[in-house]
Amino acid sequence: KQEVTQIPAALSVPEGENLVLNCSFTDSAIYNLQWFRQDPGKGLTSLLLIQSSQREQTSGRLNASLDKSSGRSTLYIAASQPGDSATYLCAQGGGGADGLTFGKGTHLIIQP
Amino acid sequence: DGGITQSPKYLFRKEGQNVTLSCEQNLNHDAMYWYRQDPGQGLRLIYYSQIVNDFQKGDIAEGYSVSREKKESFPLTVTSAQKNPTAFYLCASSIGGLAGDAYEQYFGPGTRLTVT
Repeated sequence: KQEVTQIPAALSVPEGENLVLNCSFTDSAIYNLQWFRQDPGKGLTSLLLIQSSQREQTSGRLNASLDKSSGRSTLYIAASQPGDSATYLCAQGGGGADGLTFGKGTHLIIQP
Repeated sequence: DGGITQSPKYLFRKEGQNVTLSCEQNLNHDAMYWYRQDPGQGLRLIYYSQIVNDFQKGDIAEGYSVSREKKESFPLTVTSAQKNPTAFYLCASSIGGLAGDAYEQYFGPGTRLTVT
């Protein structure tokens, strides 16, 4: 059974810092890795999608990497801002139109 | 604007009643999904549908039922057989496909169901 683990569960940093969120997965037959943001009481917003053939994807201040051999993905947030405060979820795609397997998330607080 | 709508945002029911959650998308996506989110847990897959008139059970399908009669719609019924129905329910969709490629999933705003 696929398992996705996110470390740390919670993180609080001052504004302006660069930070890294970690995601590890057990199934090497990964098709893609998707990072999401969730604000309290809201749905998920897709941030980045990395296909299994890719090593990284970038969008603005966000950079996500994928290392299939080690079963890890990282989300790098540059120059953090208070508006980045949210829960960040990573999810592994198993292929086709199968559902995603999610980690429990990292709750991020950026202190002004 | 293209997107996924879920209604209602909040839903309250008495124990023993069935309740149906709505999910509609205008993204022309073939695949649709239902997930459940509980505090402190990751999202868990309930049901998914790769194409109209077809759907498969996810990891926690017991006590739930779905239908997929139209491409745009994928309603979820929470039956009285579901032991712990109180949760946040999220619907998602993707372009889909059966060729083995995996596609980005897009999520709706969610429905918070409370059963007392």
